Amino acid sequence: AQKVTQAQTEISVVEKEDVTLDCVYETRDTTYYLFWYKQPPSGELVFLIRRNSFDEQNEISGRYSWNFQKSTSSFNFTITASQVVDSAVYFCALSDTYTGNQFYFGTGTSLTVIP
Amino acid sequence: DTGVSQNPRHKITKRGQNVTFRCDPISEHNRLYWYRQTLGQGPEFLTYFQNEAQLEKSRLLSDRFSAERPKGSFSTLEIQRTEQGDSAMYLCASSPPGGSGRWEAYVGTDTQYFGPGTRLTVL
Repeated sequence: AQKVTQAQTEISVVEKEDVTLDCVYETRDTTYYLFWYKQPPSGELVFLIRRNSFDEQNEISGRYSWNFQKSTSSFNFTITASQVVDSAVYFCALSDTYTGNQFYFGTGTSLTVIP
Repeated sequence: DTGVSQNPRHKITKRGQNVTFRCDPISEHNRLYWYRQTLGQGPEFLTYFQNEAQLEKSRLLSDRFSAERPKGSFSTLEIQRTEQGDSAMYLCASSPPGGSGRWEAYVGTDTQYFGPGTRLTVL
């Protein structure tokens, strides 16, 4: 069965600290996509990144970076030099050939950046 | 505004009433999805349209729920005889046509872009 686990429910950091959000997934498929979305207090889910199962190359985009490791079924997200505007709930999601067009989301990690 | 739009943004209703929500996807996106999100949880899939065809429905979508996309553009989600347990955020998302490769066309895992949601409160 497909499952996404975000064990960290809430994280608080002081501005300018680095923070890593963990995501562990389960799927019986060898072909799948992983996503990260940000949900600020306004409520709209904002797409951050998509990664397919054949591409384990880590990615950096500005202050954001992602570490995809198939061996541990993890797709972790790091924010460097956090800012108050990063405060939001972050969701990891999975889609594979069994789930087809639906995404399976984790329960989210609520990040608070303290000024 | 070229993003996904949803109306209304908030809806308060009494138990037993019917409610209808509307979603307008990003233009040229032929795929449209409905999700439900309760407090402290991630979005849960409800249903999916490709053009006007409803291709997938979750077991969460009881017979009180119905979704339509008559012309392959906007979609409506109706809940009949609302219950307090229906109180949630209802999210709509859209994605473009599948890629030309066999893998993307089959799986259809293009990125989904979400609207701001409709928050339903059933009293």
